[in-house]
Amino acid sequence: DTAVSQTPKYLVTQMGNDKSIKCEQNLGHDTMYWYKQDSKKFLKIMFSYNNKELIINETVPNRFSPKSPDKAHLNLHINSLELGDSAVYFCASSQEDSNTDTQYFGPGTRLTVL
Amino acid sequence: GNSVTQMEGPVTLSEEAFLTINCTYTATGYPSLFWYVQYPGEGLQLLLKATKADDKGSNKGFEATYRKETTSFHLEKGSVQVSDSAVYFCALRSGGSYIPTFGRGTSLIVHP
Repeated sequence: DTAVSQTPKYLVTQMGNDKSIKCEQNLGHDTMYWYKQDSKKFLKIMFSYNNKELIINETVPNRFSPKSPDKAHLNLHINSLELGDSAVYFCASSQEDSNTDTQYFGPGTRLTVL
Repeated sequence: GNSVTQMEGPVTLSEEAFLTINCTYTATGYPSLFWYVQYPGEGLQLLLKATKADDKGSNKGFEATYRKETTSFHLEKGSVQVSDSAVYFCALRSGGSYIPTFGRGTSLIVHP
C-alpha cells in the first residue's frame, strides 16, 4: 500500500494556465507538507498544514494555495503558471507528536511549464 | 534560526570505497537529526536518524553519530555499492517545530 501518493506524476502545461496536484496519505498523520525541488535538488518548504494551522513560507507567491478537504488530503493549486514554476513538487506527511518524527514523502510531480 | 550545512557534491566513488558525507548544523534547543535518501526519480525516504547526543543511527550499512560537541552528523559507509547512487539529505527538527530544516543535498555517484 502506498503511504503518500500524488497525482499526476508528470504535468506539462502552458504559461498562464491553472493546475492542481493532488496528494493523499493513508498513514493517519496529522500534518502534511508541500515542497518544491529545483533542478539542483534544493528542497524548499512551501506549506505545512494540520487541522489547527496553516504555515506558509512567506517567499511562496500567492498564486500557490493549499486546499485540504480532509485530514488525509492536501492538494496544491497553482494559478497563472509561470516558467519558473517548473520543478518537482513533493507532498509529505508526518505525525507531530515530537520532533523525532519522520517525514514520509510522495513520489513527486514533475511540472513543466512551456 | 536552524540551519544545516552539507558538503557539496557530487561525490564520485568506485564500488567498495569508503564513504563520508559531512553534515553540520546550528539549532535551538535539542534537535533530532536525520539522513534522508532520494533515489533517481523517487521521493525522499528516511535512511537513519538519531534523537539525542551520542546516539548512532544505522541502516543498510550506513551510520551516523550525533555529535553535540562538534554539532555534526556525518554519514558513513564502509563499502559503497552502485545501488547507493542517490542524493543524500541531512535534516534536523528542533523545538517542537512542524517544519524540518534540510541541507542542500549531496549527490553520490558510485562507479562499478
